[in-house]
Amino acid sequence: QVQLVQSGTEVKKPGASLKVSCKSSGYSFAGYYLHWVRQAPGQGLEWMGWINPNGGSTNYAQKFRDRVTMTTDRSISTAYIELSSLRSDDTAIYYCARVSPYSGNYYTLDFWGQGTLVTVSS
Amino acid sequence: QSALTQPASVSGSPGQSITISCTGTSSDVGGFNFVSWYQQHPGKAPKLLIFDVTNRPSGVSDRFSASKSGNTASLTISGLQADDESVYYCSSYRGDNTGVFGTGTMVTV
Repeated sequence: QVQLVQSGTEVKKPGASLKVSCKSSGYSFAGYYLHWVRQAPGQGLEWMGWINPNGGSTNYAQKFRDRVTMTTDRSISTAYIELSSLRSDDTAIYYCARVSPYSGNYYTLDFWGQGTLVTVSS
Repeated sequence: QSALTQPASVSGSPGQSITISCTGTSSDVGGFNFVSWYQQHPGKAPKLLIFDVTNRPSGVSDRFSASKSGNTASLTISGLQADDESVYYCSSYRGDNTGVFGTGTMVTV
């Protein structure tokens, strides 16, 4: 069965960087784009970008373009998101999610990780 | 890049039907048949309910249906049940090769 398992809770200081992992299993990792979505406490979902594990191409939301890096390690079926220059408003749950193979576009997300809570506080 | 607009809350009684709207622009909802809907229970990851405007993934109840007219997409939940109490988000592809979510709608049963 498809599973996306993310790394654990992080506490970071303002100005620091974070790196969250997302380990995939149950499907061909290289065959599906992975997206990252975040959710601030009590707020809605915010799309951050995607990565194609087959080749490593990426597409980031304009808001994060100067601070985010998405990568993958195909040898261990794991995707990563790095976010630098953290601010308090980066406090959120960060989700990875896989693109559905049944949709006509790369933005339908059918399997999600459990989420990683990141708290940015001095 | 603003979010798609959804009502903050919608309520209904068990057995009734409710409809949630999702309003965007011709650059997203209106321009492509790539609207999805997600259900998110408290403390859980979102769950895909509808993709490509009207399609249900395998395993999703047929009490969930959706449509689109112009720049507004809609999700209808029929035969409302207690477990439907949740937050619902729409999302869409945007023509600049980005994605966008709606503001979210809390459904109360």
